[in-house]
Amino acid sequence: QQPVQSPQAVILREGEDAVINCSSSKALYSVHWYRQKHGEAPVFLMILLKGGEQKGHDKISASFNEKKQQSSLYLTASQLSYSGTYFCGIGTNNNAGNMLTFGGGTRLMVKP
Amino acid sequence: DTGVSQDPRHKITKRGQNVTFRCDPISEHNRLYWYRQTLGQGPEFLTYFQNEAQLEKSRLLSDRFSAERPKGSFSTLEIQRTEQGDSAMYLCASSFIANYGYTFGSGTRLTVV
Repeated sequence: QQPVQSPQAVILREGEDAVINCSSSKALYSVHWYRQKHGEAPVFLMILLKGGEQKGHDKISASFNEKKQQSSLYLTASQLSYSGTYFCGIGTNNNAGNMLTFGGGTRLMVKP
Repeated sequence: DTGVSQDPRHKITKRGQNVTFRCDPISEHNRLYWYRQTLGQGPEFLTYFQNEAQLEKSRLLSDRFSAERPKGSFSTLEIQRTEQGDSAMYLCASSFIANYGYTFGSGTRLTVV
């Protein structure tokens, strides 16, 4: 079953922060986060594994809450280049991360 | 490392025709995935290979769809007797090992008229 992402869309001013949530009805084994710009392929941001720690690089980080079966992506001090659609992809225990089920996406627009 | 290559970039076909797409993954990656994406939606899993073995196939995939990965290198996805509902972007991705990030190709956009 497809994970639910929220919000569906968000508009920010440069320098503002945003949080994107990804909720699953199944137990999570892994969570991937990708960003896709219009007309381009999704680009890998990070992966979080069950039992792993919060990940981050630069001003983008993510958390994994196994108990709540959800992950959150944190974008701080947003830049114009952060604009795009963010997808979470989940691996569930019964496939051990072999394939991902993606959410419907969160459209992020950063304005000057 | 030249990334994941897909060919063709665009394909327009008449309903009922067969089409074949090709994907060349990153050479060090032994895992290859096919996904389908329609406008405004996230990628939808189609099938997955580890080396030359096709290990998973979506239950949503009809018998008109078939994929191969001979010798564990490039892969082909064939759609027989295309329908208008097959119109979508077909994405190929590869990864090094399990629980590694995917590298996606630029996709093949299929339009069935």
